[in-house]
Amino acid sequence: EPEVTQTPSHQVTQMGQEVILRCVPISNHLYFYWYRQILGQKVEFLVSFYNNEISEKSEIFDDQFSVERPDGSNFTLKIRSTKLEDSAMYFCASTIQRQAKNTEAFFGQGTRLTVV
Amino acid sequence: GENVEQHPSTLSVQEGDSAVIKCTYSDSASNYFPWYKQELGKGPQLIIDIRSNVGEKKDQRIAVTLNKTAKHFSLHITETQPEDSAVYFCAREGFKTIFGAGTRLFVKA
Repeated sequence: EPEVTQTPSHQVTQMGQEVILRCVPISNHLYFYWYRQILGQKVEFLVSFYNNEISEKSEIFDDQFSVERPDGSNFTLKIRSTKLEDSAMYFCASTIQRQAKNTEAFFGQGTRLTVV
Repeated sequence: GENVEQHPSTLSVQEGDSAVIKCTYSDSASNYFPWYKQELGKGPQLIIDIRSNVGEKKDQRIAVTLNKTAKHFSLHITETQPEDSAVYFCAREGFKTIFGAGTRLFVKA
């Protein structure tokens, strides 16, 4: 069964450092997403990406965040200067169509980011 | 508004009993309502979904009901088993997925 894969599974970084979280979406999917889940809280939408540009972003996704699809398979989330409050699980997801078209989103296993 | 309200936040049942989780939403344009199960250390996994032209959908021990007029939908798990223990999230999909706060389900053997 096709799946979304994320690396690394756990990332520890010093406050102020840059981190890049990597995702390989399902190969024939066209829409890509990042979500964040702070420990014990709900999953929150960060950003959606289609056709090499951001489609929508939440208020959480400020100038410290950026996304990129550097090649045909990877989709990355960069946090420029990490803060303690960025510590969370980050989930990548992909859909074959835009989610407004009522399609299932496939989620990766997540990257646990710990900022110390 | 975009919010999805989910209740209860915690649910504890005896193995074999039924579990019901309820969600309400406010955006009348929503047409697709998935339910996700999240086990410890894993990402959310879709377990069942329902579209707005359907009132009820069942898949073995899991069922979902939707009342579009009242803007609420519910997850029903019958004959619960210990492996059903997890956090369950309802969601509504518009242009982006909006998740409920989650329900931590404990099934006691």
